[in-house]
Amino acid sequence: SQQGEEDPQALSIQEGENATMNCSYKTSINNLQWYRQNSGRGLVHLILIRSNEREKHSGRLRVTLDTSKKSSSLLITASRAADTASYFCATDAGNTDKLIFGTGTRLQVFP
Amino acid sequence: GAGVSQTPSNKVTEKGKYVELRCDPISGHTALYWYRQSLGQGPEFLIYFQGTGAADDSGLPNDRFFAVRPEGSVSTLKIQRTERGDSAMYLCASSSTGGIFGELFFGEGSRLTVL
Repeated sequence: SQQGEEDPQALSIQEGENATMNCSYKTSINNLQWYRQNSGRGLVHLILIRSNEREKHSGRLRVTLDTSKKSSSLLITASRAADTASYFCATDAGNTDKLIFGTGTRLQVFP
Repeated sequence: GAGVSQTPSNKVTEKGKYVELRCDPISGHTALYWYRQSLGQGPEFLIYFQGTGAADDSGLPNDRFFAVRPEGSVSTLKIQRTERGDSAMYLCASSSTGGIFGELFFGEGSRLTVL
């Protein structure tokens, strides 16, 4: 089962532009995480935001969390061709240690 | 090794055969997860171990799927009587704390193709 859904499903931009991806989830959470996956590879953790946090930064990444709307957004600023990948949000199911992943956003950054 | 290791990286088998996929987690990580990912989809949770015990196996699709972690380190995902619909990338991840507290570290996956 999928807890989260990302929007858009696919995004194409030029280098230097910003990329924004959104994630909506269904149940209450303790934290929300974003992962990146290059084609055919494993997932790499990008950032974790806790349910009592509203915004978090890491380098060119900015994540927001709105628990009242059960949604999060990932902003990648000044994108690079190397940012081309699929991006997934993942949440715990509220009272378990398992992480449930969303459907993903496929980002293509053109040089 | 420094990261999560999965073997084999690719496995091609015939319908009806038995398959084992192995995961060697990061040393000292007590939590271990198995996910299945079909092309263009997000990872789908299968099972989660804390130590040697399966803390949550609610994602296993049916009784053809079974996973063990006898010594609390290496885990094996076992699939009996494989079907074409089992074809997917099988991902393993480990964590020092469990997903409710921290990040998961993923291996590169085992791609299973059932002919």
